[in-house]
Amino acid sequence: DQQVKQNSPSLSVQEGRISILNCDYTNSMFDYFLWYKKYPAEGPTFLISISSIKDKNEDGRFTVFLNKSAKHLSLHIVPSQPGDSAVYFCAASALGAQKLVFGQGTRLTINP
Amino acid sequence: EAGVTQFPSHSVIEKGQTVTLRCDPISGHDNLYWYRRVMGKEIKFLLHFVKESKQDESGMPNNRFLAERTGGTYSTLKVQPAELEDSGVYFCASSQDNPGKYTDTQYFGPGTRLTVL
Repeated sequence: DQQVKQNSPSLSVQEGRISILNCDYTNSMFDYFLWYKKYPAEGPTFLISISSIKDKNEDGRFTVFLNKSAKHLSLHIVPSQPGDSAVYFCAASALGAQKLVFGQGTRLTINP
Repeated sequence: EAGVTQFPSHSVIEKGQTVTLRCDPISGHDNLYWYRRVMGKEIKFLLHFVKESKQDESGMPNNRFLAERTGGTYSTLKVQPAELEDSGVYFCASSQDNPGKYTDTQYFGPGTRLTVL
């Protein structure tokens, strides 16, 4: 059973507009959520995180929103830039555990 | 500061053969993790070392996989004998140990792409 789901395998956005990537989870024990970005032939790179005591965390152009009641989080990128084109993975961990549980990833393409 | 390095970057072997993957974590990182991504699916956890000890090996698929971390530095992941379904990209990650914090940020290596024919 997949505990972290990214239902959109791909997303195409025009440069300068907002990109919104979504992620759903099923495990109520998850208390920390992360987004990783991955370019081809490279490993995932940490982007931004949020703990379950918050509902929003912002870092420059990147904002992560957490809706615990809906078990849903989203990553907003604004404005989107061509260098943002990559695969984005949502990940979660449970209190006391270090292992990350990943979603399947969403391929984001930013069009000029 | 050097990042996480993995060797080899690619490996092509035949079913039944043995392959050993190596990971060198970021210097000073006590935590080392192995993950695997199969056929474009999600990245799945395999196991977690704290220094030389296995903290969590709940993701190891079967006893054909053996992970070691000698002296708490680099780690190896051996697959013996390899099967077709072992094909995928094997990622290693490392993190510092910061007690009292949420999950420490894990820094990933570039991965080893394993193809079993």
